[in-house]
Amino acid sequence: GESVGLHLPTLSVQEGDNSIINCAYSNSASDYFIWYKQESGKGPQFIIDIRSNMDKRQGQRVTVLLNKTVKHLSLQIAATQPGDSAVYFCAVPRIVAAGNKLTFGGGTRVLVKP
Amino acid sequence: GAGVSQSPRYKVAKRGQDVALRCDPISGHVSLFWYQQALGQGPEFLTYFQNEAQLDKSGLPSDRFFAERPEGSVSTLKIQRTQQEDSAVYLCASTTPVAGVDNEQFFGPGTRLTVL
Repeated sequence: GESVGLHLPTLSVQEGDNSIINCAYSNSASDYFIWYKQESGKGPQFIIDIRSNMDKRQGQRVTVLLNKTVKHLSLQIAATQPGDSAVYFCAVPRIVAAGNKLTFGGGTRVLVKP
Repeated sequence: GAGVSQSPRYKVAKRGQDVALRCDPISGHVSLFWYQQALGQGPEFLTYFQNEAQLDKSGLPSDRFFAERPEGSVSTLKIQRTQQEDSAVYLCASTTPVAGVDNEQFFGPGTRLTVL
């Protein structure tokens, strides 16, 4: 089955610096990846996604990089702000019975220091 | 517009009690998912509904867990004879009926269950 994991459980970053969160996946057939942000007391919130036919995708202050050779993806947050403090998960959806079952990684907590 | 709502937000149960957790999906979303999130972990899939049909319940950890969505809208996750290992945040998510792996799931705030 699919397993998704993260390298660093906690990342402390100075406000204004860039953050990089890493994630490894096991199933080379996975063709779509999602990053979620989860703030305290809230459910996961979609940030950005990427398909396997891409190696980079940019959003507002966020960039996701995909390296299919080593089955690794990363989330880069530019100019990290206090509001970026949260737990970040990578997730892989798999279609089951016309729905998408998400497999999440263990999460990385980002703490932004003022 | 209104997002996914869940109630109660917090539930404390004594071991052995039954609990019922409610999810109100976004209006018009026919697909509904339940996930269990242990402390410090990522969410794990429990079960999936399309309208009132429960199409996948492979993630339910035991027969003490039961989910229903009788009218294809509100869903209830019931846990019978709760155990301490059931302590977790239970997340509900809903999505549009558009088929495809890139169909975004919208999550509710979760219900934090603590079993004493």
